[in-house]
Amino acid sequence: EVQLVESGGGLVQPGGSLRLSCAASGFTVINSYLMWVRQAPGKGLEWVSFIYSAGTTYYADSVKGRFTISRDNSKNTLYLQMNSLRADDTAVYYCARDTSATYSYDYWGQGALVTVSS
Amino acid sequence: QSALTQPASVSGSPGQSITISCTGTSSDVGSYNFVSWYQQDPGKVPKLMIYEVSRRPSGVSNRFSGSKSGNTASLTISGLQAEDEADYYCCSYRSGNNYVFGTGTKVTVL
Repeated sequence: EVQLVESGGGLVQPGGSLRLSCAASGFTVINSYLMWVRQAPGKGLEWVSFIYSAGTTYYADSVKGRFTISRDNSKNTLYLQMNSLRADDTAVYYCARDTSATYSYDYWGQGALVTVSS
Repeated sequence: QSALTQPASVSGSPGQSITISCTGTSSDVGSYNFVSWYQQDPGKVPKLMIYEVSRRPSGVSNRFSGSKSGNTASLTISGLQAEDEADYYCCSYRSGNNYVFGTGTKVTVL
């Protein structure tokens, strides 16, 4: 069974850093297209970043230069390193998997809340 | 990166059909068939309903259908049911290895 389980969310001060983890089971991250999406409280979905199976990475302009997506094949885990956090980064962060490489995400984690506040 | 444009809300009575539009540009919806739709209940995880414009994942009701014309994609829900009440988001691949969601539409079953 495919599962994605996020962890690492919490409260952080503006300018601080946080790393989210997304532990995968039922498939291998190395062979997958994976994505991070976020949703601010009461707002819509916003694409953050994705990583192709080949390892190439892409970012939304709003996080470029501050966030880094990566994966650890030995731990079968996806990460999102978030630096220089701002209040408008406050959101629930979801990891998701594109099983068919069609830029459509059929498996999602439960989400991790990140709150940036002093 | 501007979002795709969706109506804020759409409503219908049980049994009716409704259509949600999703307007993009020639850099996303108009140029690629990588358009998908997600259903999200309040406080829940998004669920994939349509991918590649009109394909349905296994387990999704055939009451849900998708289409595209030019820069606008559409999701139609036929035979509307109370359980269809949720937020719906379109999304599309955008040139330059970007990905963009729509603004979201709240569907209300009257």
